[in-house]
Amino acid sequence: TQLLEQSPQFLSIQEGENLTVYCNSSSVFSSLQWYRQEPGEGPVLLVTVVTGGEVKKLKRLTFQFGDARKDSSLHITAAQPGDTGLYLCAGAPSGTYKYIFGTGTRLKVLA
Amino acid sequence: DAMVIQNPRYQVTQFGKPVTLSCSQTLNHNVMYWYQQKSSQAPKLLFHYYDKDFNNEADTPDNFQSRRPNTSFCFLDIRSPGLGDAAMYLCATSGLAALTDTQYFGPGTRLTVL
Repeated sequence: TQLLEQSPQFLSIQEGENLTVYCNSSSVFSSLQWYRQEPGEGPVLLVTVVTGGEVKKLKRLTFQFGDARKDSSLHITAAQPGDTGLYLCAGAPSGTYKYIFGTGTRLKVLA
Repeated sequence: DAMVIQNPRYQVTQFGKPVTLSCSQTLNHNVMYWYQQKSSQAPKLLFHYYDKDFNNEADTPDNFQSRRPNTSFCFLDIRSPGLGDAAMYLCATSGLAALTDTQYFGPGTRLTVL
């Protein structure tokens, strides 16, 4: 059973546009991670959000954890071709160490 | 400095020929995971170890086995690889900080089955 749903699955935008990726669940997570993965490589951690309602910024990337700790979002401002990749949210439902991944969002930023 | 190391990065095997993928970590983390990732899909958890306690996913084929001889090392054995087992295999670790558990991934091993 897939507990983390990401949307959209695919996104192709022009350089300079803004975008938001969503990660939703019916389960509560003690924390959620966002990763970016490039072809042939392992996922690279971008951020961990821990507190409900938390907002973290990483340069042009803004991450938000929902108040109920069931959902998260990633917003990219002024996207660049270097942002192209597969974005994955992941986490372990509260009380477990069983990490699961979201369905993934494949982003392509065109120059 | 590499924290989660996977060897080899690329592995080619023949249909039915056993293969072993290895993972080592310098983080001293208690939990180690193996994922299978096929093209354009999210990683799928195969199993994980909490120390020496092995936890298998219900839908992981019997063809896949794992060993963790010590904290630092974990192996994925594929007893009789089929064409459908060609994928990227990712190893990850996580520590025990309950609220800030984060997984750290190795670079992956890409398995080709001929």
